[in-house]
Amino acid sequence: KNQVEQSPQSLIILEGKNCTLQCNYTVSPFSNLRWYKQDTGRGPVSLTIMTFSENTKSNGRYTATLDADTKQSSLHITASQLSDSASYICVVSPREDNNDMRFGAGTRLTVKP
Amino acid sequence: DAGVIQSPRHEVTEMGQEVTLRCKPISGHNSLFWYRQTMMRGLELLIYFNNNVPIDDSGMPEDRFSAKMPNASFSTLKIQPSEPRDSAVYFCASSSSGGQPQHFGDGTRLSIL
Repeated sequence: KNQVEQSPQSLIILEGKNCTLQCNYTVSPFSNLRWYKQDTGRGPVSLTIMTFSENTKSNGRYTATLDADTKQSSLHITASQLSDSASYICVVSPREDNNDMRFGAGTRLTVKP
Repeated sequence: DAGVIQSPRHEVTEMGQEVTLRCKPISGHNSLFWYRQTMMRGLELLIYFNNNVPIDDSGMPEDRFSAKMPNASFSTLKIQPSEPRDSAVYFCASSSSGGQPQHFGDGTRLSIL
């Protein structure tokens, strides 16, 4: 069973709208949680990283939240743009060295004009 | 600043042939990772190296897969003999020490006919 579950599997929104992607994990112990953005035909790029003690982290129009008690994270995208169309992958590391990363299956976001 | 460089970007070959994928990590990074990505299974870690030494190869699917890192600036992933079920996108990533984020290449899209 995958230790990192993401929802929804895919999402279509109109340009300018906001959206929220979800990530639930059962990885234990827990060191940090990262959100990656993967454009079609490209490798994943790190957006945010949060440790156990952090509740929220922003990167421009991207805001990630973390509830370590319920083992849930969300990625909120504000005022979406066409360039936000991509897969968003939630990654959880049980170790500080990040050499053991557990990947979610990703949410495929499509932003339409 | 050059990122992780992978070659070839695309490879199409017949089953039974040997396939060699290449990766040049970011200069100064001492950890290198090979991943496989498919629609069904998402991103899977195959093997990673620290300071050119293989640390964890538990993700390598079977003996047909092998990886080497002869020096700090080059790594190969070899499949021999290749099978249609090996068709996937193979990513190489590198990171520096201390739990820094992994930087991914743009992948090699492999199709085994």
